[in-house]
Amino acid sequence: DQQVKQNSPSLSVQEGRISILNCDYTNSMFDYFLWYKKYPAEGPTFLISISSIKDKNEDGRFTVFLNKSAKHLSLHIVPSQPGDSAVYFCAASAGQAGTALIFGKGTTLSVSS
Amino acid sequence: DTAVSQTPKYLVTQMGNDKSIKCEQNLGHDTMYWYKQDSKKFLKIMFSYNNKELIINETVPNRFSPKSPDKAHLNLHINSLELGDSAVYFCASSLLQGNTEAFFGQGTRLTVV
Repeated sequence: DQQVKQNSPSLSVQEGRISILNCDYTNSMFDYFLWYKKYPAEGPTFLISISSIKDKNEDGRFTVFLNKSAKHLSLHIVPSQPGDSAVYFCAASAGQAGTALIFGKGTTLSVSS
Repeated sequence: DTAVSQTPKYLVTQMGNDKSIKCEQNLGHDTMYWYKQDSKKFLKIMFSYNNKELIINETVPNRFSPKSPDKAHLNLHINSLELGDSAVYFCASSLLQGNTEAFFGQGTRLTVV
């Protein structure tokens, strides 16, 4: 039973445009959400996070939006660059001790120049 | 200086063998994890240790045994390897349990033939 879902396996975007990656979750106990980026043959690298008390968090070109009522979050990358081409994982945590990050299946982003 | 390092990066072995994957973190974190990424690309939590104590033990065959000699190390030992154990195994660490980002190693690609 997938608690974190990334329904788009892939996304192609042109350089300079906006990339929007989506993520849905089912567990209402989740209160902390993260995005990771992964290049081939490397481990996932933390990108940005958001607490459930916020609906937006921004870090440079990356913005994460959280819609708790819809149990949906999205990652916006503006402007997209070829170096952003990677697999992006959405992850969620229920916050209490004894829990670990629950990951989605990932979305492969390809940014063409 | 690598924050979370795991060895080896690649491991090819025959069915029935016993093998170990080592993980070390130099971040001073209290919590360490093992994740498995299978052929469907899901990143699933296997184990979590906090200060050398087992915190999370997901439904994993008991052929898998984590060992934490100190809080900077979490090794994974696998007995009687099976074809289905072929996957990429990631070690990770975090400062706290719960709502915080985890830092990942580069992964160990295990192939059982």
